[in-house]
Amino acid sequence: DAGVIQSPRHEVTEMGQEVTLRCKPISGHNSLFWYRQTMMRGLELLIYFNNNVPIDDSGMPEDRFSAKMPNASFSTLKIQPSEPRDSAVYFCASKPGQANYYGYTFGSGTRLTVV
Amino acid sequence: AQSVTQPDIHITVSEGASLELRCNYSYGATPYLFWYVQSPGQGLQLLLKYFSGDTLVQGIKGFEAEFKRSQSSFNLRKPSVHWSDAAEYFCAVGFSGGYNKLIFGAGTRLAVHP
Repeated sequence: DAGVIQSPRHEVTEMGQEVTLRCKPISGHNSLFWYRQTMMRGLELLIYFNNNVPIDDSGMPEDRFSAKMPNASFSTLKIQPSEPRDSAVYFCASKPGQANYYGYTFGSGTRLTVV
Repeated sequence: AQSVTQPDIHITVSEGASLELRCNYSYGATPYLFWYVQSPGQGLQLLLKYFSGDTLVQGIKGFEAEFKRSQSSFNLRKPSVHWSDAAEYFCAVGFSGGYNKLIFGAGTRLAVHP
């Protein structure tokens, strides 16, 4: 299995531009998570999906952030408009079921820099 | 509220020395426990997990962890550290009763001196 695939690996954009991050979970995994990692705040859960349905988006920082999962093999995290404080590494993770004894499998992340 | 604490932000050890990274959790029942490792520029990789049975669990890369219910702890150990173990280590806890997400500690950054 190719694991959780994220694209792009690096993104540099100007403030005010729209940014879209992409994630392909492991086939058969029906839970998907988006995390943001910064030095100051560590790992923050932004949103997670079960069976393509958003379950908890309380971690999404503000309305500029949105996430979708149109099917079981693809999810996007969009920031519009982007701001310099959004600079971080964004991780996608998936797991095979709802139960918490499953561990997550993480992607390699997208390093976002907003200038 | 449920929480996970990693008391040590940074730890430095010499290559070949033993290692113990601490993790404590707050929860009324037995949680599901995980350790992840993150090398620079990489995602998090699962080292090991515990959810029932033997309280001493073995993981990849020569790591082990012991669940101690009386201390609400799940400390990670390695008898002899290699320079390649330098990374950041995260403890994570999953709870039963309808929760579907893991709670991560703040991480411990390990440096290894030659």
